[in-house]
Amino acid sequence: EDKVVQSPLSLVVHEGDTVTLNCSYEVTNFRSLLWYKQEKKAPTFLFMLTSSGIEKKSGRLSSILDKKELFSILNITATQTGDSAVYLCAGGSNYKLTFGKGTLLTVNP
Amino acid sequence: GAGVSQTPSNKVTEKGKYVELRCDPISGHTALYWYRQSLGQGPEFLIYFQGTGAADDSGLPNDRFFAVRPEGSVSTLKIQRTERGDSAVYLCASSLRQGAGETQYFGPGTRLLVL
Repeated sequence: EDKVVQSPLSLVVHEGDTVTLNCSYEVTNFRSLLWYKQEKKAPTFLFMLTSSGIEKKSGRLSSILDKKELFSILNITATQTGDSAVYLCAGGSNYKLTFGKGTLLTVNP
Repeated sequence: GAGVSQTPSNKVTEKGKYVELRCDPISGHTALYWYRQSLGQGPEFLIYFQGTGAADDSGLPNDRFFAVRPEGSVSTLKIQRTERGDSAVYLCASSLRQGAGETQYFGPGTRLLVL
């Protein structure tokens, strides 16, 4: 059975801190690793990673995939209160996404 | 352009009743997916449509759940004889095409509460 495990499950930081969120996966016919941010209901897309070792960056967020170790990280630098959310990692096969439980990030002012 | 929309936002029903949840995908997206998210969990796959046909319904929990997409655009998830355990947020997503390189874009979900 496909499995995605995220850690930590929750994290509280102060504004300006840097955080690293972890995601390990075991997905049959693995094709891609996706990160989403979920604030209220709709998960909003952050990154899709398909190749090992190539960092994707968007502003203060960046992510990288290690296909040998079946692992991905999401980094957020200079955190802001607006970064508070649940961050979901998902392993993609041909069409199905298998999600982890998410990391609840709280950024305090 | 408009994103994925879902109606209703919230639905409260009584045990044993029938409910329908609607999803309008992004215009032009051929692939549509339904997921279910329980409290404190990540979304879980229910069913996937390519065009009008259900290409994979292996995630539907039992035969009380059924989904259709008759014209290849709007989809309806139907739940018969609802049970309290069906309470969850039902999320719909769409992608331009089917395939590993296609990003799935999610709607805001329908929060279903079965009393």
